[in-house]
Amino acid sequence: GAVVSQHPSWVICKSGTSVKIECRSLDFQATTMFWYRQFPKQSLMLMATSNEGSKATYEQGVEKDKFLINHASLTLSTLTVTSAHPEDSSFYICSARAPHTYEQYFGPGTRLTVT
Amino acid sequence: GENVEQHPSTLSVQEGDSAVIKCTYSDSASNYFPWYKQELGKRPQLIIDIRSNVGEKKDQRIAVTLNKTAKHFSLHITETQPEDSAVYFCAASRDYGGSQGNLIFGKGTKLSVKP
Repeated sequence: GAVVSQHPSWVICKSGTSVKIECRSLDFQATTMFWYRQFPKQSLMLMATSNEGSKATYEQGVEKDKFLINHASLTLSTLTVTSAHPEDSSFYICSARAPHTYEQYFGPGTRLTVT
Repeated sequence: GENVEQHPSTLSVQEGDSAVIKCTYSDSASNYFPWYKQELGKRPQLIIDIRSNVGEKKDQRIAVTLNKTAKHFSLHITETQPEDSAVYFCAASRDYGGSQGNLIFGKGTKLSVKP
């Protein structure tokens, strides 16, 4: 149980284009999903928290107009990187948490490369 | 806000030896402390967690201890094996509702187990 999928696993896009990443909880309903960014050999940096049916809460320094998050259902959250630039290249990982639980389960991550 | 310090940043042990990773946290209201294992290019996997009403928890070769007074918790791996080689992250959070459920991660410990 507690499986989280993420799609795509990797993507290469040109500077100025937008990229959408999907995060799905496959066998449980996730009222809360989290989006992280991880640079090589570094820890996970929380970007935003999304609750189903409401606006995402962004961490300080994360541009909400650049990183659009939608949590339209209890099993799906999406992160759209708009007008991507090479500095947005990174490993993006989502996690999901079931209601009234502590545990967060992570997706496999999406490696984004912006050329 | 919460701050989690993790030590050491790298740890090399001989196969069969024990490994100990330590974390300290700053928010006395934190009550949930998970440990994640992340292999290169893969998702963080929850390996063990502990809540503040428990001082120690063990799962086969892995154990976690918590000292709430001192605000530190540790991961203990006994009889290490080469497949234990990975980056380990500690984290802390309080409650599970709203923003208080956010995990704050340590910077990670790269464990190398030499055969």
